[in-house]
Order: sequence, then structure tokens, then C-alpha cells
Amino acid sequence: AQSVTQLDSHVSVSEGTPVLLRCNYSSSYSPSLFWYVQHPNKGLQLLLKYTSAATLVKGINGFEAEFKKSETSFHLTKPSAHMSDAAEYFCVVSSGGTSYGKLTFGQGTILTVHP
Amino acid sequence: GAGVSQSPSNKVTEKGKDVELRCDPISGHTALYWYRQSLGQGLEFLIYFQGNSAPDKSGLPSDRFSAERTGGSVSTLTIQRTQQEDSAVYLCASSPSGTAYEQYFGPGTRLTVT
Repeated sequence: AQSVTQLDSHVSVSEGTPVLLRCNYSSSYSPSLFWYVQHPNKGLQLLLKYTSAATLVKGINGFEAEFKKSETSFHLTKPSAHMSDAAEYFCVVSSGGTSYGKLTFGQGTILTVHP
Repeated sequence: GAGVSQSPSNKVTEKGKDVELRCDPISGHTALYWYRQSLGQGLEFLIYFQGNSAPDKSGLPSDRFSAERTGGSVSTLTIQRTQQEDSAVYLCASSPSGTAYEQYFGPGTRLTVT
């Protein structure tokens, strides 16, 4: 079985300040982990992915995430928020075994960026 | 190149009617997935296709839901005797293989059951 917990349903930051979106996962197998972003009335877009290579993963638009197996975490960060980063972010896990090919989504974190 | 497309973009139907939702995956992608996004339930997996077969149907919520894929390409999700709780955005995704790497999502079909 696999699951994802996003620790904050809403995060609010000022433009130019750092962003931290927290995610913990549970998986019976070696997981693949993803962050997806969904802007209002838009489709889901892949930000970055971890698939057992480097534990620090860099994605698009300056985002990065670090896989920490000991903490079962995969937090998303960005050094400086931009107004265009306002969106909903989903942490996602996929495992092998019987769940092969199936993504399990967290509940989402809505990021608000203030001028 | 063309991404995943879904049709219709919006569908309003009366309770008890059947609906068909269509997904055109990225050309050459062998894996295809259906998800549902609704308030209170978040994003839920429905079904996974590898080619024309469906190794994992575990997310289909009831026997009113079915899906098929023909020619290893287009997929149709059918909901029979729709209920108000079926109202949601139905998302389709495709992937180059069944490894769940980089699923590419379509824009979704917003279904409203009145």
C-alpha cells in the first residue's frame, strides 16, 4: 500500500521569499515520487520527479525537492517565490508491485503569493 | 507535439443518463490512466491500461463505471445511470510505458450531473 500526506492545505508567502511545501509518504516498495502543479482551470503539469537517482531533484521554474528516506519526506522548495507560482501543488507517489503504474496523490497544497 | 486531449471539455447531464468521456493519449504512449478529481475526495485513481488490457481496475467506484481502450490508443470511460455524486473532473493521463514515469495529463472533462 502507498499513501501521501501533504502537511499543509494552504501556504501563504510574500513574493521574493522562500517556499516550503511539505510532503511525507508511505510505500511498501522503493517509491518514485513526483510533484505536480495545477494552475486554476489548467491541467496538471509535472514539476519534478525522483526515481532512485540523485536525492536532490531539480525541476522547472526554480523548484527543487529532496528525497529523505530516513524521514520518508519529499518536501518541495523554491528560494524566491514569484506571483506566477500561485497554484495548487500535489505530491504524488508511485510504487512497483501490484500498484504498478498507479499514482497516489496527496490532498494538495494551495500556494498563495502576496505582492 | 500534441498532448493528451479529452472530450468533451464540459458535460452536463441529467441524473440517470449514461455518459461517455473520451481520451486521446499522446501518440506512441502505451500506458493510459483515468483519474477523478472532486471536492472532498481529491484526485483518485480509477483505471490503468497497458495497451488494450486493463491490469488494474481497482479504482472504479462501482459497476456503473467501465472503460475500454481500442487499438492501443483512444480510450472511453462510460458512466451508466449517472448519479449526482459522479459530478467531478475526469482526468486522463498517458505514459510512454507502464513504469508510471512522467504521466502526461489532459485538460480533463468536467461532468455535472443535475
